[in-house]
Amino acid sequence: NAGVMQNPRHLVRRRGQEARLRCSPVKGHSHVYWYRQLPEEGLKFMVYLQKENIIDESGMPKERFSAEFPKEGPSILRIQQVVRGDSAAYFCASSPIAIYNEQFFGPGTRLTVL
Amino acid sequence: QKEVEQNSGPLSVPEGAIASLNCTYSDRGSQSFFWYRQYSGKSPELIMSIYSNGDKEDGRFTAQLNKASQYVSLLIRDSQPSDSATYLCAVTKGAQKLVFGQGTRLTINP
Repeated sequence: NAGVMQNPRHLVRRRGQEARLRCSPVKGHSHVYWYRQLPEEGLKFMVYLQKENIIDESGMPKERFSAEFPKEGPSILRIQQVVRGDSAAYFCASSPIAIYNEQFFGPGTRLTVL
Repeated sequence: QKEVEQNSGPLSVPEGAIASLNCTYSDRGSQSFFWYRQYSGKSPELIMSIYSNGDKEDGRFTAQLNKASQYVSLLIRDSQPSDSATYLCAVTKGAQKLVFGQGTRLTINP
C-alpha cells in the first residue's frame, strides 16, 4: 500500500536553471497539495490541485512557479530560473476527499540552489 | 497575530510523564484540526485529527478541541524517547488548505 511518492528526493540546481519536482499521490487520492518548508520556518501552503485543475494557488509566488496535475501521470511543481531563496524542502500531500481533509505527506524533495 | 500559534519550545519531559502541547488559532470558521509529528529531516506524519469539541483518544495520544476558546491541544501519555520530535498543529483554512503553526520541539529525557 504505497504512500505518497516524490522524486527526486534531493535536487541540486544552479541559479537560473529549472527545477521539476514530481509527486504521485496515494492510489485513489484525487486531491494533491504542495507545501514548502524553508530552513527554520514552518510549512507553507503553495497550491491545491485536482486532476487537470488548479483549485487554489493562493500560496504560489506569482512568477517562476507553476504546478499541474495531468489526467495521467504525477503532479509536477516547476520552478523556473531558480534563485538561492528557492532552496527548501518541498512536500506533496494527498487526500482522498475534501471533507475532513486528512492530508498525507510524501517524503519531500530537498532543493538546493547553488 | 499568526493564524496558528504554538510555543516553539523546546519542551523537555521526562520519560514516562505526560507531554502537553498547545495550539491556538485565529479563524473561527476553521472546521478541521490536525497534529503532525515531524522528525528532523523527515516529512510530517499525521498522528491525530479532531473535528468537534471535546477529547479524542488514540492509544497514548489525546487531542482536545475547544472551538469557543480557539484552542487545540495534544497530550502524549507515557512519553517515550521515540516521541522526541517537532509537533505541528494544523488547521484548515477555507475548504482545503492547511495552515501550520511553527511547531513545538519536544524532547523526552530518558
